[in-house]
Amino acid sequence: DTEVTQTPKHLVMGMTNKKSLKCEQHMGHRAMYWYKQKAKKPPELMFVYSYEKLSINESVPSRFSPECPNSSLLNLHLHALQPEDSALYLCASSQENLPSSVLTFGAGSRLTVL
Amino acid sequence: AQSVTQLGSHVSVSEGALVLLRCNYSSSVPPYLFWYVQYPNQGLQLLLKYTSAATLVKGINGFEAEFKKSETSFHLTKPSAHMSDAAEYFCAVSGARGYQKVTFGTGTKLQVIP
Repeated sequence: DTEVTQTPKHLVMGMTNKKSLKCEQHMGHRAMYWYKQKAKKPPELMFVYSYEKLSINESVPSRFSPECPNSSLLNLHLHALQPEDSALYLCASSQENLPSSVLTFGAGSRLTVL
Repeated sequence: AQSVTQLGSHVSVSEGALVLLRCNYSSSVPPYLFWYVQYPNQGLQLLLKYTSAATLVKGINGFEAEFKKSETSFHLTKPSAHMSDAAEYFCAVSGARGYQKVTFGTGTKLQVIP
């Protein structure tokens, strides 16, 4: 299995809702990432988990809350989002969190905040 | 510090013509360089990766890139464009700071004209 699976593919939520994005990989990768991608822009790093511990938080607002329940799963909990948070959220994984590591991306969850 | 500059946000080529996508990098240490491709409504997929073993790197789908230290460049080429090559291409660099933080370029959208 060489895939990163993200659910849901599409999500529409109001500013008062609480929702979660899920990401799963079964490649034995020990690093997992959340990226945010706005239209016609490159992906922007949000969080990095290495061996199930949060190692990087790129000063992301607290309305985004990551969680890594085990080495295969990564969640992104969403609460009180703003319309400007609408974007494609990409999950990625790599064998280790090293500069030479190749990222394997999921297809993304497209989020619309009304 | 590290950064990449992709010249040309849009490139159009005829089917069968040479594809040349330009990337220049800046890095305070010898870098790892990557080209990723993103098809519509999908995540990013690795095309190729430079790790200093060879200056000419061959990737998937007939793409290759040449690392030129003197020009700080890592341009992506393909001898003959195919319709299926139409996508967004991102050059990326990592290596600074000692951890896997990839810096993506702003992307080049490749259009292939029949």
